[in-house]
Amino acid sequence: GAVVSQHPSWVICKSGTSVKIECRSLDFQATTMFWYRQFPKQSLMLMATSNEGSKATYEQGVEKDKFLINHASLTLSTLTVTSAHPEDSSFYICSADTDRGTFEQYFGPGTRLTVT
Amino acid sequence: GIQVEQSPPDLILQEGANSTLRCNFSDSVNNLQWFHQNPWGQLINLFYIPSGTKQNGRLSATTVATERYSLLYISSSQTTDSGVYFCAVEGANAGKSTFGDGTTLTVKP
Repeated sequence: GAVVSQHPSWVICKSGTSVKIECRSLDFQATTMFWYRQFPKQSLMLMATSNEGSKATYEQGVEKDKFLINHASLTLSTLTVTSAHPEDSSFYICSADTDRGTFEQYFGPGTRLTVT
Repeated sequence: GIQVEQSPPDLILQEGANSTLRCNFSDSVNNLQWFHQNPWGQLINLFYIPSGTKQNGRLSATTVATERYSLLYISSSQTTDSGVYFCAVEGANAGKSTFGDGTTLTVKP
């Protein structure tokens, strides 16, 4: 149990275009999902907390208008990178809280974004 | 916010050796998890351990919350244990996790 999927697993896009990444909890409901960014050989940095049915909470320094987050259902959150630029190239990972009241997170496999 | 320090940053072992990874945190925590990030980037849950001791096969973990540290033990290491090990903590009422910088483990055959 507690499986989280992400789609796509990798994407290459041209500078100026937008890219949508989906995060799904497959066998549980997730009121809260989290989006992280990871640069090569670095740790995970939390970008935002996504709550079903409400606006996401962004970490300091993360541009809300650039990284649009929508948590439309208890099993789906999406991250849209708008007007992508090469500096947005990174590994994006989502996680979900299993809602068992223990705050135990399970992670998706990640999406590698390359902006050319 | 809460600070999380992991040590050592890098560790190279011969297959069959044992190792201990450490995670120190600067404040009280509600939750603590250990993860293994494999070469493809997937984070694999190892332990959910806000306090106490747990064991799963060759791995075990201990968290002493009052002294603000957690230890991950790997016994009889195998080459497949290679990767980055992360400790992630949720500070009191934080509602989100803070990750340490990780320990990169290389197990040589």
